[in-house]
Amino acid sequence: SQQGEEDPQALSIQEGENATMNCSYKTSINNLQWYRQNSGRGLVHLILIRSNEREKHSGRLRVTLDTSKKSSSLLITASRAADTASYFCATDSPGLSFGAGTTVTVRA
Amino acid sequence: NAGVTQTPKFQVLKTGQSMTLQCAQDMNHNSMYWYRQDPGMGLRLIYYSASEGTTDKGEVPNGYNVSRLNKREFSLRLESAAPSQTSVYFCASRVGGGAGTQYFGPGTRLTVL
Repeated sequence: SQQGEEDPQALSIQEGENATMNCSYKTSINNLQWYRQNSGRGLVHLILIRSNEREKHSGRLRVTLDTSKKSSSLLITASRAADTASYFCATDSPGLSFGAGTTVTVRA
Repeated sequence: NAGVTQTPKFQVLKTGQSMTLQCAQDMNHNSMYWYRQDPGMGLRLIYYSASEGTTDKGEVPNGYNVSRLNKREFSLRLESAAPSQTSVYFCASRVGGGAGTQYFGPGTRLTVL
């Protein structure tokens, strides 16, 4: 069964706005990862946050992790049209276990 | 450095036919993985190989077999394809069997009629 679940399922924003998506998972984790998938393409790793970390930044990305609530969030600041994609959280078990993803559309 | 490559990119099969999906990585990674992605869903693990010479079942292994041919190559075989196996198949690799970034191939889009 899928470990992570993303919320919302879809998000439409204007270029320049921020996009926030959430992920909930079921069991204890060592780390949680976020991936991006452009339409019809393979997944690209964005960021990994370990269970002993609460927040991590990478460029315009900010990820938080709350292990007590078994949840994580991904914030994309100052969105661009190129950020249009599906975003997945994944946990290790031993391969990755993915949620169904959040589809983000950035309107010009 | 091509990363993870998959062949073919597209394939159409008739029910009952067999085929092998090929995957190769040139990053000297120990672990390799096969996933399938159905419309509107995340990826689900079919099989994985934590190291050369070992393979293990993932979440959805029924109807598939795998071979870790060497450190570089990990193939996925459908012995008797069924319409339920229509999906996009992704291969991935990473350095070790523990935590860490996985690197994905571009995918194989398979349709079983």
